Amino acid sequence: DIVMTQTPLSSPVTLGQPASISCRSSESLVHSDGNTYLSWLQQRPGQPPRLLIYKISNRFSGVPDRFSGSGAGTEFTLKISRVEAEDVGVYYCMQASQFPWTFGQGTKVEIK
Amino acid sequence: EVQLVESGGGLVKPGRSLRLSCTASGFTFGDYAMSWFRQAPGKGLEWVGFIRKKVYGGTTEYAASVKDRFTMSRDDSKSIAYLQMNSLRTEDTAVYYCTREDGDYVDYWGQGTLVTVSS
Repeated sequence: DIVMTQTPLSSPVTLGQPASISCRSSESLVHSDGNTYLSWLQQRPGQPPRLLIYKISNRFSGVPDRFSGSGAGTEFTLKISRVEAEDVGVYYCMQASQFPWTFGQGTKVEIK
Repeated sequence: EVQLVESGGGLVKPGRSLRLSCTASGFTFGDYAMSWFRQAPGKGLEWVGFIRKKVYGGTTEYAASVKDRFTMSRDDSKSIAYLQMNSLRTEDTAVYYCTREDGDYVDYWGQGTLVTVSS
């Protein structure tokens, strides 16, 4: 199974300041079709997860442009350019390049 | 508007069975693959299983932790996906989420249904 490792696990951030979360996979996520099925999800307290970014860097419909994704191969990053109060929650990276699909442990973003 | 509504959760004793349903609306159900995920209390997300759309055979994939105990199925005429859970264990206690898979990504999640396995 592909192991996904996120850092940090907790990220206290000042409102208006940037935040960055890293995700590393134990093997390349490049699928045989040439795509890399790495997504980022946000889970606000008491809510189901919500898709933010798919295939490394594509923002899903309705996601603010302060969220961006980057990376390749085994190293990926989610950045929030200016954290807002509504961004509080847990962020997960997820790979769907190979079954079983697997997640990072989650990174808790909170306001300082 | 895409909606996924899970139902069928509840309290069940170890070794018993439960069937979850996911009722979809707002899109042509048969055009999409579906997946189930779960989240144990206070824990992270875990993928449970995936069912392809009928044009790809409606075949399934499962996590090792549920394989041979859980079975996914779908009724495209009713826009419902099912998760049949047999031989339940205490470690299956979780909120179970139904999701839609848009070819390249899982795009919509239901609100979830809680399954508690306890004697």
